[in-house]
Amino acid sequence: EAGVAQSPRYKIIEKRQSVAFWCNPISGHATLYWYQQILGQGPKLLIQFQNNGVVDDSQLPKDRFSAERLKGVDSTLKIQPAKLEDSAVYLCASGLGGGSTDTQYFGPGTRLTVL
Amino acid sequence: GDSVTQMEGPVTLSEEAFLTINCTYTATGYPSLFWYVQYPGEGLQLLLKATKADDKGSNKGFEATYRKETTSFHLEKGSVQVSDSAVYFCALSDTIGAGNMLTFGGGTRLMVKP
Repeated sequence: EAGVAQSPRYKIIEKRQSVAFWCNPISGHATLYWYQQILGQGPKLLIQFQNNGVVDDSQLPKDRFSAERLKGVDSTLKIQPAKLEDSAVYLCASGLGGGSTDTQYFGPGTRLTVL
Repeated sequence: GDSVTQMEGPVTLSEEAFLTINCTYTATGYPSLFWYVQYPGEGLQLLLKATKADDKGSNKGFEATYRKETTSFHLEKGSVQVSDSAVYFCALSDTIGAGNMLTFGGGTRLMVKP
């Protein structure tokens, strides 16, 4: 079974530029999550989708971050404009949708460096 | 709000030593608890989970018991191997819609020397 795919794996940009990350979840998974992992810390949830609807985006900095999940499959996360503090690994995860016991399967992440 | 606290690393052990990584949590309601592992250069992988009090999760020789009375979920392994060197994350989940919101601890780096 194919895992969660993410691209690109690495991205270097200058502050105030824009950037987009792509995620393809495991086939059939209803829930999709984006996390931000700053170096030396645990991942922090940014947004959760259920099929193509947003379930929770309370921790997404909406002035600069946006995300969508078209047709309930692939998802993109965009940052515009980027700040230095956005340097982190952006993780995508997906799950079947089992409530609190839902196991989330993570992709390899995209490492973003903002100069 | 919910939070997870785990022991800071790095934890350095010799091969075949006993491992304990402490994890305590604060949560409302009845969360599920997870241990995830991140090997060098790889993504997070689920190691084990427990969904209710007194449940024991186990996998690959690792185990952890959900202790509601002490709000803990300590990770243990009787005999570690060099291949266990990784960063270990404790996490709890709260239900959101059909999925859940994972709250992670800061991670504990384990280094096993031959």
